Amino acid sequence: QQPVQSPQAVILREGEDAVINCSSSKALYSVHWYRQKHGEAPVFLMILLKGGEQKGHDKISASFNEKKQQSSLYLTASQLSYSGTYFCGTTVAGTYKYIFGTGTRLKVLA
Amino acid sequence: NAGVTQTPKFRVLKTGQSMTLLCAQDMNHEYMYWYRQDPGMGLRLIHYSVGEGTTAKGEVPDGYNVSRLKKQNFLLGLESAAPSQTSVYFCASSYSVSGAGANVLTFGAGSRLTVL
Repeated sequence: QQPVQSPQAVILREGEDAVINCSSSKALYSVHWYRQKHGEAPVFLMILLKGGEQKGHDKISASFNEKKQQSSLYLTASQLSYSGTYFCGTTVAGTYKYIFGTGTRLKVLA
Repeated sequence: NAGVTQTPKFRVLKTGQSMTLLCAQDMNHEYMYWYRQDPGMGLRLIHYSVGEGTTAKGEVPDGYNVSRLKKQNFLLGLESAAPSQTSVYFCASSYSVSGAGANVLTFGAGSRLTVL
């Protein structure tokens, strides 16, 4: 039931781009993205709503395709501060359970 | 504005001991959640609550109990701790969005529990 994220881990050089995908076996009505730095709590990045809306946060943007039950997070011109683990989060359809994807570890090197 | 506060931050238990983790939020959020996070693993939902006096099981509820007697507090109890419950526990809260479940979650700083 947990959304599956890909890739599991990625290493980038500063300035490179990355895409993180989140796929669900169940219908998604909205998707949230969070970033967790090592030893800290997850922090909200952005929300994606039905209709394929793209939301931006600095040089991080995302898309949501409810038909394919997928969301993607785009990190452009990555910075050292982007390092961390990224999670997608969503409410399980028909319930009040809020669950997270499997996570993607991102490391940006100088 | 404190947001979500978890106590204690660290605790070491012996197998079979009991303990309670406290989560307090001052944002008047209806929804509250308890997750556990193990090394290299994601966040797994233990229990959650959609309002004062209500609780429900998440994905990994066995060995844990919860209570929400006051809207601002959500307690997670371990009646008989086991080494498999060694983990970092995160509490989170959210306001609801009509017809769409939870909105953005705000997390506490986490509680690191070690069971020997």
